[in-house]
Amino acid sequence: NAGVTQTPKFQVLKTGQSMTLQCAQDMNHEYMSWYRQDPGMGLRLIHYSVGAGITDQGEVPNGYNVSRSTTEDFPLRLLSAAPSQTSVYFCASTDFTSGYEQYFGPGTRLTVT
Amino acid sequence: EDKVVQSPLSLVVHEGDTVTLNCSYEVTNFRSLLWYKQEKKAPTFLFMLTSSGIEKKSGRLSSILDKKELFSILNITATQTGDSAVYLCVINTGTASKLTFGTGTRLQVTL
Repeated sequence: NAGVTQTPKFQVLKTGQSMTLQCAQDMNHEYMSWYRQDPGMGLRLIHYSVGAGITDQGEVPNGYNVSRSTTEDFPLRLLSAAPSQTSVYFCASTDFTSGYEQYFGPGTRLTVT
Repeated sequence: EDKVVQSPLSLVVHEGDTVTLNCSYEVTNFRSLLWYKQEKKAPTFLFMLTSSGIEKKSGRLSSILDKKELFSILNITATQTGDSAVYLCVINTGTASKLTFGTGTRLQVTL
């Protein structure tokens, strides 16, 4: 199994540009989520999905959209990038049967200038 | 609002020392507490604790939960330079979506 994969690893955007961060998992996990990690702020939940076709907002959803058309994929879209969205983004998936252990992707470091 | 507080924020120890990392929390609907180790990239899972007083152990690492006093500790004995990382305490408060992360303790182990 590849686990949770994320692309790209690094990205630089100009203010106002849009882009999609890709996330995929091959473990057949129903639950997937996106976090952003900022210095001194810990990991904060952006959006999550409990299964294909179902998404919901987390703690900091503004400026981001998600969709879940398949179990495997959970892309995160930045609609109009802002410098405040400079962060490291982690995608994660969870196996409910193992007790909510989160499997994290390697992260995407995004810089918005 | 759910809150997870970790202490200390950072510490530096010598190889071979024993360290104790603390995590206290105030949450509604507690289900489990998880510890993660984060080096340069994604967090890696260490322990999940759901019951008070039962120690979880993995090699030199161990952790215990006190649900009455609302805290957990993570112990690392005979520290090694490879233990240098940020240790994250996470509370699951219901569905898997409700994970609240502490800001972490940055541990540096020197020779």
